[in-house]
Amino acid sequence: NAGVTQTPKFRILKIGQSMTLQCTQDMNHNYMYWYRQDPGMGLKLIYYSVGAGITDKGEVPNGYNVSRSTTEDFPLRLELAAPSQTSVYFCASLDRAQETQYFGPGTRLLVL
Amino acid sequence: DQQVKQNSPSLSVQEGRISILNCDYTNSMFDYFLWYKKYPAEGPTFLISISSIKDKNEDGRFTVFLNKSAKHLSLHIVPSQPGDSAVYFCASHYNQGGKLIFGQGTELSVKP
Repeated sequence: NAGVTQTPKFRILKIGQSMTLQCTQDMNHNYMYWYRQDPGMGLKLIYYSVGAGITDKGEVPNGYNVSRSTTEDFPLRLELAAPSQTSVYFCASLDRAQETQYFGPGTRLLVL
Repeated sequence: DQQVKQNSPSLSVQEGRISILNCDYTNSMFDYFLWYKKYPAEGPTFLISISSIKDKNEDGRFTVFLNKSAKHLSLHIVPSQPGDSAVYFCASHYNQGGKLIFGQGTELSVKP
């Protein structure tokens, strides 16, 4: 029972590089989310999606883009990496019946 | 503007005693509250929740209390066990795409 999976687990980027953080869920959840967690802080919502083809901004969307072409996948794109994007990124999907989000294990990103 | 606040960054408790983690919120429109537990290098996992129509919800050793007039909730763990050592996040969601707003987290350490 995979749940929510994220790749890669860890990545070092140089300033200005781009990358895509992958997220896949196998629970057939329509709602999916991307959060970032900075040290000593709670999780902040970057983007979310209520279904394939529908995405919307969260609290801290600047510097990121998302797409949602399938129910299972919700990739997060960083176009021009900046040191301020050094963080741990979590993807989640929502079980609407239980009103509970299930999280992936996270991607640790370091921008130097 | 921090809408969900956990003012204690850390808490240390002896094994077998009660752990009480606190959370305050500012938005009276919040109608559902959750506690998540997070171990290092893992994603948050759902622990327990409470709807605003209740003032208490219990699940085994974990009880959440909600005081709507004070905009305050607390998580009680009785008895505390060393395996409970983790970071605990309080979160709230309101019916706009299931988005969660997280507190900063409280790191609980249960000493044998």
